[in-house]
Amino acid sequence: AQKVTQAQTEISVVEKEDVTLDCVYETRDTTYYLFWYKQPPSGELVFLIRRNSFDEQNEISGRYSWNFQKSTSSFNFTITASQVVDSAVYFCALSEERRGSTLGRLYFGRGTQLTVWP
Amino acid sequence: EAQVTQNPRYLITVTGKKLTVTCSQNMNHEYMSWYRQDPGLGLRQIYYSMNVEVTDKGDVPEGYKVSRKEKRNFPLILESPSPNQTSLYFCASSLRGFNQPQHFGDGTRLSIL
Repeated sequence: AQKVTQAQTEISVVEKEDVTLDCVYETRDTTYYLFWYKQPPSGELVFLIRRNSFDEQNEISGRYSWNFQKSTSSFNFTITASQVVDSAVYFCALSEERRGSTLGRLYFGRGTQLTVWP
Repeated sequence: EAQVTQNPRYLITVTGKKLTVTCSQNMNHEYMSWYRQDPGLGLRQIYYSMNVEVTDKGDVPEGYKVSRKEKRNFPLILESPSPNQTSLYFCASSLRGFNQPQHFGDGTRLSIL
């Protein structure tokens, strides 16, 4: 079973529309971290946000916002008033903190290709 | 400038010809890791290293080797490449673990014919 599921393979919107990218994760650890990364057409991977399992506060950064809900194991990402420059592949990722150890692993979802049309 | 540098950026080669993709970071990070990205599969971890001389397998280690002789370098070795290793590869580093944001290299596109 996948640890991180991004059910939306591709999403297309028109500029200025709001769009939400879904991320559902699976873990038995009580301490874990969730991330979103952006991969624009140029190919590099850009870190967007990190959230730990003890902090369920939603976060807003400009047009970006993140909704973390432990009850549904989801960490969704919303772009408000989308722009063409938001076109990219977006990856959600999970890192678990094993009990008694600082070792962890990093699991990525399969990504969501977002295309914003002018 | 803080960065993770991968070389080469592109490589086309043939089955069975040993190759090495280098990865170097200048941030004194302890953790380094390799991923491959394939269409529809996202990024999958190949190997990771917690420090010099400490490495461990990720999800898809078959056909790959790594070494960490120095803190800054973490090369990925394909001893006998096969076409199913054609992929986009990323090296990443972080200061102390996967609970921190990863700094990624720009990627290496490998084609094995």
